[in-house]
Amino acid sequence: DTGVSQDPRHKITKRGQNVTFRCDPISEHNRLYWYRQTLGQGPEFLTYFQNEAQLEKSRLLSDRFSAERPKGSFSTLEIQRTEQGDSAMYLCASSLLGKGNTGELFFGEGSRLTVL
Amino acid sequence: GESVGLHLPTLSVQEGDNSIINCAYSNSASDYFIWYKQESGKGPQFIIDIRSNMDKRQGQRVTVLLNKTVKHLSLQIAATQPGDSAVYFCAEIENSGGSNYKLTFGKGTLLTVNP
Repeated sequence: DTGVSQDPRHKITKRGQNVTFRCDPISEHNRLYWYRQTLGQGPEFLTYFQNEAQLEKSRLLSDRFSAERPKGSFSTLEIQRTEQGDSAMYLCASSLLGKGNTGELFFGEGSRLTVL
Repeated sequence: GESVGLHLPTLSVQEGDNSIINCAYSNSASDYFIWYKQESGKGPQFIIDIRSNMDKRQGQRVTVLLNKTVKHLSLQIAATQPGDSAVYFCAEIENSGGSNYKLTFGKGTLLTVNP
């Protein structure tokens, strides 16, 4: 499968613990996005990278959240000192920004976080 | 607040009927719109897109209509099938020709197809 893959698919943790999610985008895609989705809502933008540069961060991304894309390929999203309000589906997407394409976002299956 | 929203949160149709899902947006600067389908437990899947210089675009069994005057977007699904049952989101992008490719999603409409 050459789509966007995310790991783990499900994570249950206790409040106060740190968690890390990994996203492997489609290999030639230069943009990578993180979104958060709660039940019954549309995905909300968190941050995105062009290659290894983090170009924009949402106000939703508090100082407990950090995202990296060190080599411009896979990305990690870490949440420190998790709170129950962090429980959500964390979606990763990638796109190819360049001449001749629409920049369509391809989403992964998501990583569902439950904070007890 | 959200700039993209939906008129109906749920829609139930009979198999074989046509479905119409509506979406309103408020950002006049949005110039690119996408419909996504999301099945339970899965990520959103691209269905069809339309740029603001168009008012209609057709795909396989799907048609998107854009009315910029009233800032309204609709997705029409012909001959709806049980496999079409999912939540449908419209999403918008402002300044898609520039460096901003950030999608803003609406809340979604749950489509249920009855056999």
